[in-house]
Amino acid sequence: GQQVMQIPQYQHVQEGEDFTTYCNSSTTLSNIQWYKQRPGGHPVFLIQLVKSGEVKKQKRLTFQFGEAKKNSSLHITATQTTDVGTYFCAANNFNKFYFGSGTKLNVKP
Amino acid sequence: NAGVMQNPRHLVRRRGQEARLRCSPMKGHSHVYWYRQLPEEGLKFMVYLQKENIIDESGMPKERFSAEFPKEGPSILRIQQVVRGDSAAYFCASSLSGDRNSPLHFGNGTRLTVT
Repeated sequence: GQQVMQIPQYQHVQEGEDFTTYCNSSTTLSNIQWYKQRPGGHPVFLIQLVKSGEVKKQKRLTFQFGEAKKNSSLHITATQTTDVGTYFCAANNFNKFYFGSGTKLNVKP
Repeated sequence: NAGVMQNPRHLVRRRGQEARLRCSPMKGHSHVYWYRQLPEEGLKFMVYLQKENIIDESGMPKERFSAEFPKEGPSILRIQQVVRGDSAAYFCASSLSGDRNSPLHFGNGTRLTVT
């Protein structure tokens, strides 16, 4: 089935530093979604990317979809302690949403 | 507008007992997905259901696990004769249309502990 690989697995940053997580697929994706899961919480939908080369911003978060639609990234500028959590990408394949393994972000104040 | 409701939040079962996990989707949503998450791991797809139909159960273990989404009432994930390896968080998600562009709305999950 569809697999999306996500790196890094963990990232520890000082508050104010930037953070990036990457999602890669061996096959072309129709779209990609990003979710955030706070510690002890449930995944929450952040955004969806559909078009080749698409870039979307949500305040300090920038989401990109690669030109070949095989990779995506989430970049957070000037992290804050509220950004702590695990960030997942998810790809859809025949009605199923496959999630990457996630990148766990820890922000030190 | 209530979100996805899962209960119970925490469930403790002894080995060999049955676990029943319930999920009520968001109002207006008729597509339900179940995912399993082990500590520090990602979300593993288990099953996708619409009302009264199992669309895809390719992620479900062949034995002891079953799921349903009846015409009336919540979706149920049932685990028979639980073993310690079943301990995990089980998340239910619903979507409006089930197509690839429809985001998933997750419940708070059920944390199952098998003793």
